Amino acid sequence: QKEVEQNSGPLSVPEGAIASLNCTYSDRGSQSFFWYRQYSGKSPELIMSIYSNGDKEDGRFTAQLNKASQYVSLLIRDSQPSDSATYLCAVNKAWGKFQFGAGTQVVVTP
Amino acid sequence: EAGVVQSPRYKIIEKKQPVAFWCNPISGHNTLYWYLQNLGQGPELLIRYENEEAVDDSQLPKDRFSAERLKGVDSTLKIQPAELGDSAVYLCASSLEGGVGEQFFGPGTRLTVL
Repeated sequence: QKEVEQNSGPLSVPEGAIASLNCTYSDRGSQSFFWYRQYSGKSPELIMSIYSNGDKEDGRFTAQLNKASQYVSLLIRDSQPSDSATYLCAVNKAWGKFQFGAGTQVVVTP
Repeated sequence: EAGVVQSPRYKIIEKKQPVAFWCNPISGHNTLYWYLQNLGQGPELLIRYENEEAVDDSQLPKDRFSAERLKGVDSTLKIQPAELGDSAVYLCASSLEGGVGEQFFGPGTRLTVL
C-alpha cells in the first residue's frame, strides 16, 4: 500500500462543472495536508493547505479533511480550462517528513 | 517577494560526468529541501536542511550524491558520477516553518544523462 494514494486519472471535467479529487494516506499521525497544482513541464505550485478536520475554502477551491477516515479531498468549482493540470496531494507524516502522491491529472473540456 | 531560485534550468551531460545544481530559497526560509521527480510521479525527498544542518538525508544516495548548505542560505546538490537513471527533474523547495508548514518550490532543473 502506498503511503499517499491518488487516482492517476485522467479526470475529465466539463467546463463549469465541479472537479472532485481524492487522496488517502496511511499514517494516522499525519499532521498537515497540502494540494499542489503542477502544469506540464512546470514545478508544483501550492494551492491549498489544511491542518484540521473539516472544510477550508479559498476562491474556487475547497479542501476537505477527515482524519478519522484518513482522506483529504479537493473540490474545484466552476472548472476552467486553465485548471487542466496534475494535482499532487502532500501529507506531513511527522515533523519535517512529507510524502507526495503521484498526482491526479485533470482535463477540463470545453 | 522573490521565489525559490534554481539554476541551471536544464542540463544535459554524458554518463559518468559530474553535475551540480544550485538553489537559493525564499528569504527568511530556514528549511530547504531537495527533491527528485520522475515523470508521472510525485516529488521524492533527497535531503532536508534546517539552516546549515542536514537533518534528513536518509534518501540521499551517498555514494554518488552530495549536498551542502554552508551558510544556511543557498545550497548545492552534486552528482558524481552521473548515471543514466539519474535523468529526472531536481526540485528545490523552502519552508518558513519546516516541521509542518507549507513548502514552496523552485522551477526545477531538468537533468538528462546520455
